[in-house]
Amino acid sequence: GESVGLHLPTLSVQEGDNSIINCAYSNSASDYFIWYKQESGKGPQFIIDIRSNMDKRQGQRVTVLLNKTVKHLSLQIAATQPGDSAVYFCAEIRETSYDKVIFGPGTSLSVIP
Amino acid sequence: EAGVTQSPTHLIKTRGQQATLRCSPISGHTSVYWYQQALGLGLQFLLWYDEGEERNRGNFPPRFSGRQFPNYSSELNVNALELEDSALYLCASSGRISTDTQYFGPGTRLTVL
Repeated sequence: GESVGLHLPTLSVQEGDNSIINCAYSNSASDYFIWYKQESGKGPQFIIDIRSNMDKRQGQRVTVLLNKTVKHLSLQIAATQPGDSAVYFCAEIRETSYDKVIFGPGTSLSVIP
Repeated sequence: EAGVTQSPTHLIKTRGQQATLRCSPISGHTSVYWYQQALGLGLQFLLWYDEGEERNRGNFPPRFSGRQFPNYSSELNVNALELEDSALYLCASSGRISTDTQYFGPGTRLTVL
């Protein structure tokens, strides 16, 4: 069935390095993608979003890239900091299913000081 | 601006009992979503309420139910609790535009013994 998944379940990076978290989606009709960050014991926190008519969007230290050709989404975190350690979820929203945000299982990012 | 709030933070019940979880959305938001996050698993969509009505539900049995009040706050009720209902229950809210980003509360940790 259709799903949103992450390539790497865990990722360890050195403090100061850049992090890249990947996500694959299966439905080319998806319109909207979101990256969430979930720290231990907390609810998911919105990081950045991108619509299907864009291929790149930048925020503060974060960049999301969307490659519709291969149905791939990535989150890049520049100069990774210890506070970036968390589980990161990509989420897919389809125009016909606004009520169902499909989340991937999450990637755990660990920042090594 | 206050975010999404949930209560209680933790809830311990025994098998067969009923649990009631509460959520208050961000002021101005009319949609409330409920998700279940079991240990080691991703977010699973439970229910969507908007303007006091249930708009859609995920693939969960009828013993998972809820409602939305005139002030847009919401309750999630789980009847006849089973051990596998132990999870973090997350509430999210969004605005009137259907593709508005969902913002999450901190969650309620339900433990069924």
